[in-house]
Parts: sequence; structure tokens; C-alpha cells
Amino acid sequence: QKEVEQNSGPLSVPEGAIASLNCTYSDRGSQSFFWYRQYSGKSPELIMSIYSNGDKEDGRFTAQLNKASQYVSLLIRDSQPSDSATYLCAVNPNRDDKIIFGKGTRLHILP
Amino acid sequence: EAGVVQSPRYKIIEKKQPVAFWCNPISGHNTLYWYRQNLGQGPELLIRYENEEAVDDSQLPKDRFSAERLKGVDSTLKIQPAELGDSAVYLCASRQGPNTGELFFGEGSRLTVL
Repeated sequence: QKEVEQNSGPLSVPEGAIASLNCTYSDRGSQSFFWYRQYSGKSPELIMSIYSNGDKEDGRFTAQLNKASQYVSLLIRDSQPSDSATYLCAVNPNRDDKIIFGKGTRLHILP
Repeated sequence: EAGVVQSPRYKIIEKKQPVAFWCNPISGHNTLYWYRQNLGQGPELLIRYENEEAVDDSQLPKDRFSAERLKGVDSTLKIQPAELGDSAVYLCASRQGPNTGELFFGEGSRLTVL
């Protein structure tokens, strides 16, 4: 089992709809969780971090964490064409300061 | 405040040649990471520094890769000799400290080995 798993996509979502991106992780003791956006040819850009169970909202973005299910998700409301990118889930396992990334989900917002 | 700075942005070399990448982290960030990202994949950790100490280099191919972080600030990642399979983007990232704060990336160094 990979440490951080994401569906590679592509995930196609109509403009204005909600995009839902999912991630599972294997280390039950993980404490810190991050979502990065990566445009083609660019480096990853941090968009959300979440540390406790529940929802965390920032503008059109909502991160959701369920430690019991070892599941973290990112919702993007009112999706815009500029949201088309690869979204990387990253997890900080409890055992050390290593930050492990999933392969990323390609999101395509349809105009 | 300046972000993580990397150079060069692009490098094309022939196989068996050496190459070096440089990184300057965000000021005050003690933890520095080198990741490698292949096309269509997520970043994979090569080495992590806490100040000048390499605390995790388990994924660094030590036969050809080396890294240093003198004085606990700038860092250099070297490959000698380069192989075709080393073609990738080499990302430097920094963080305030162990398990502290968020990870910020530089723009990356894209290596092409011919």
C-alpha cells in the first residue's frame, strides 16, 4: 500500500460546479495534511493545510479531514477554468518530519 | 519576503556529465528538502536537512548523488555522473522547523540528460 494515494484522474468538472478531490493515507499517526496545486511546468503551490478532524474553509476551498478513516479531501466550490491543474495531497507522518506526496489528481474545469 | 530560490531553472547535459543545483531557502527556515519529480508523478524526497545536518538521505542514490548544506543556509545537490533516468525536475523546499509550519517550494530545476 502506498503511503499517500490519490486518483490520478483526469477529473472533469463543469465550470461553476463543485470539484471534489480525495486522498487516503496509510500512517494512522499522521498529524499534518496539505493540499498543493501544481500548474503544468510550475512548482507546487500550497493552497490548504489541515491538522484536526473536520472541515477547514478558505474562500472557495474546503479541506476535510477524517483521521479515523485516514481520509482527506479538498472541495472547490464555483469551479473556474483557472482551477484546472494537478492537485497534490501531502501528509506529514507522525514518525518524523518527512512530507510524503501522492501522485496528484489532474483536474479539468470545462468552460 | 523572498521565497525559495533555485538555480539554474533549466539544464541540458549529456549523460556521464556532472551537474549541480543550488537552493536558497526562505530566511529563517531551518528545514530544507530536496525532492525529485518525474512527469506525471508527485515529488519524491531525496534528502532532508535540519540546519546543516542531513537527517534523512535514505532515498538519495549515493553512488552518484551528493548534497551539502554548509552553514545551514544554502544547499547544493550534485549528480555525477548523470544518467538518462535522472531527467526530472529537482525541487527544493523549506520549512520553519521539524514538524513546524508549511512547506514552500522553489520554482525547480528542470534537468534533461541526453
